[in-house]
Amino acid sequence: QQQVKQSPQSLIVQKGGISIINCAYENTAFDYFPWYQQFPGKGPALLIAIRPDVSEKKEGRFTISFNKSAKQFSLHIMDSQPGDSATYFCAASLAGGTSYGKLTFGQGTILTVHP
Amino acid sequence: GAVVSQHPSRVICKSGTSVKIECRSLDFQATTMFWYRQFPKQSLMLMATSNEGSKATYEQGVEKDKFLINHASLTLSTLTVTSAHPEDSSFYICSASWDIPRENTIYFGEGSWLTVV
Repeated sequence: QQQVKQSPQSLIVQKGGISIINCAYENTAFDYFPWYQQFPGKGPALLIAIRPDVSEKKEGRFTISFNKSAKQFSLHIMDSQPGDSATYFCAASLAGGTSYGKLTFGQGTILTVHP
Repeated sequence: GAVVSQHPSRVICKSGTSVKIECRSLDFQATTMFWYRQFPKQSLMLMATSNEGSKATYEQGVEKDKFLINHASLTLSTLTVTSAHPEDSSFYICSASWDIPRENTIYFGEGSWLTVV
């Protein structure tokens, strides 16, 4: 029930294209859904996050779409750039105090953007 | 700039020795910090929740006596890998959070590479 499933495992996109990464979860008590970007040898950096009371959130080129009934959420990267090449992780956590900091991560997606 | 700092970023130790990794929140007081472990090309796995002034809460399967966690102050948590073995070689990452209603955000440190030889 704590699992978060992420797909695809790897993704190759041409510069300027749209990158789409999907995640699905089982635990309906999850209340916080962040996306992280990680470069090799570095810690993950928060990209964008959403709560289940909204269906979409956009920040710059990054958009989260959230489907509460399907228990799915996705990350869309518009106008993908070679500098976006990294590993992306979705995550989820429970509500309540600092429980939201206890993240369950997806398996990760290695994104490669070709120039 | 970084809001969570880890030290050291890389450490090599001999098998059987202990090594300490520090995690500091720079701009805020973190009552709770989290320690994760990440093997190459894998996801992050939560090891334990570090609570200031109390014992850490470990995830199932994580050896409490091997991975000692101390949260001595509101800005510092330490992870000590005791009697390290080569299989403990991994990337260890901490995170810290503060509870601002509806603005809850978690920040991660840069990680610490541990190599046990």
